[in-house]
Amino acid sequence: GENVEQHPSTLSVQEGDSAVIKCTYSDSASNYFPWYKQELGKRPQLIIDIRSNVGEKKDQRIAVTLNKTAKHFSLHITETQPEDSAVYFCAASIRGGATNKLIFGTGTLLAVQP
Amino acid sequence: SAVISQKPSRDICQRGTSLTIQCQVDSQVTMMFWYRQQPGQSLTLIATANQGSEATYESGFVIDKFPISRPNLTFSTLTVSNMSPEDSSIYLCSVTQGLGEQYFGPGTRLTVT
Repeated sequence: GENVEQHPSTLSVQEGDSAVIKCTYSDSASNYFPWYKQELGKRPQLIIDIRSNVGEKKDQRIAVTLNKTAKHFSLHITETQPEDSAVYFCAASIRGGATNKLIFGTGTLLAVQP
Repeated sequence: SAVISQKPSRDICQRGTSLTIQCQVDSQVTMMFWYRQQPGQSLTLIATANQGSEATYESGFVIDKFPISRPNLTFSTLTVSNMSPEDSSIYLCSVTQGLGEQYFGPGTRLTVT
């Protein structure tokens, strides 16, 4: 079945450094790729997304890139801050009946050391 | 984005009993979904809650165990039936808006003893 692989599972960076999280998806029909940030005890929050007709999207310190040929997409966080520490999930849409469902990666625990 | 609430926020239940979780949205939404997130794990889709018709369940989830209702475009319930300790998890509803972006409710933390 469809799946999304996410790497690394944990990532520790120094404050101010960049962080990169990578995902690979299997369904060639996937056309929507959101990223969620989940702080401890909180709900997942949508932080950025990208659609298949775009190769890159940026929002302040975060950016997402998509390579449809290789079925890869990545999250880039620049100038990391301690408040960026959280679990990050990538997801890919899969066609399920009348709607696109999401399948999630396994998550990356990002720790930003002050 | 829509304001999504869930009740209860947490509960401790005895095995063999059932719990119904409510999800309320402050505006009409097309799609509502129910997810499970086991401790330290990712999100797993249980089912799509269809308004006016039976829910669509993912592989590994069945209606007898997780009956779902969706009487209108702003409300849905998920029941966890005949609970066992393996059902201890966080249950989240989500809704789609705009071009299909999904937003999550605050979750219900369930502990089964």
